[in-house]
Amino acid sequence: DTGVSQNPRHKITKRGQNVTFRCDPISEHNRLYWYRQTLGQGPEFLTYFQNEAQLEKSRLLSDRFSAERPKGSFSTLEIQRTEQGDSAMYLCASSSQGVGPNTEAFFGQGTRLTVV
Amino acid sequence: GENVEQHPSTLSVQEGDSAVIKCTYSDSASNYFPWYKQELGKRPQLIIDIRSNVGEKKDQRIAVTLNKTAKHFSLHITETQPEDSAVYFCAASIPGFGNEKLTFGTGTRLTIIP
Repeated sequence: DTGVSQNPRHKITKRGQNVTFRCDPISEHNRLYWYRQTLGQGPEFLTYFQNEAQLEKSRLLSDRFSAERPKGSFSTLEIQRTEQGDSAMYLCASSSQGVGPNTEAFFGQGTRLTVV
Repeated sequence: GENVEQHPSTLSVQEGDSAVIKCTYSDSASNYFPWYKQELGKRPQLIIDIRSNVGEKKDQRIAVTLNKTAKHFSLHITETQPEDSAVYFCAASIPGFGNEKLTFGTGTRLTIIP
């Protein structure tokens, strides 16, 4: 599969624990986006990278959240001291340029986080 | 920032009939409007998109219309089929470095009744 890959697909964790998710974008895509999707809602933007540079962070991204893309390829999203409100689907997307009329964003299948 | 509203939240239509989903956006600088289809447990997939300099775009049974003055755009699906059942999301994007993200609507769950 040459699409966007996310691991793990599912994660159940106890409140207060730290979790880390990984996203492998389509090869040579320099833009990488993280979104959060809760039940019945559309994806909400969290942050995005151009290569290894983090260009924008949503105010949804509290201090407990951190994202990295150290070599401009895969990215990780870490949530520290998880809370029940963090339960959601975390989606990653990539594009060859900034999303726009000539550039499609391709999504991964997401990591479903459940905090108990 | 951009805000996108989507209606209706649920829509049921008889197989063969048409379905229309409507979205409005707030920032007149937005210039790209994609529609994504998300089947249960699967990733969102782009089905059609439109640029701000185009009023309508059609691809087989699906079409999208854009009214820049009113800041709204719509998805039209004709001759609906059972496989069209899914959640559909509209989105908008503002051009320019640092703005390159999609703002999504809240989704429409479309059910095609056989």
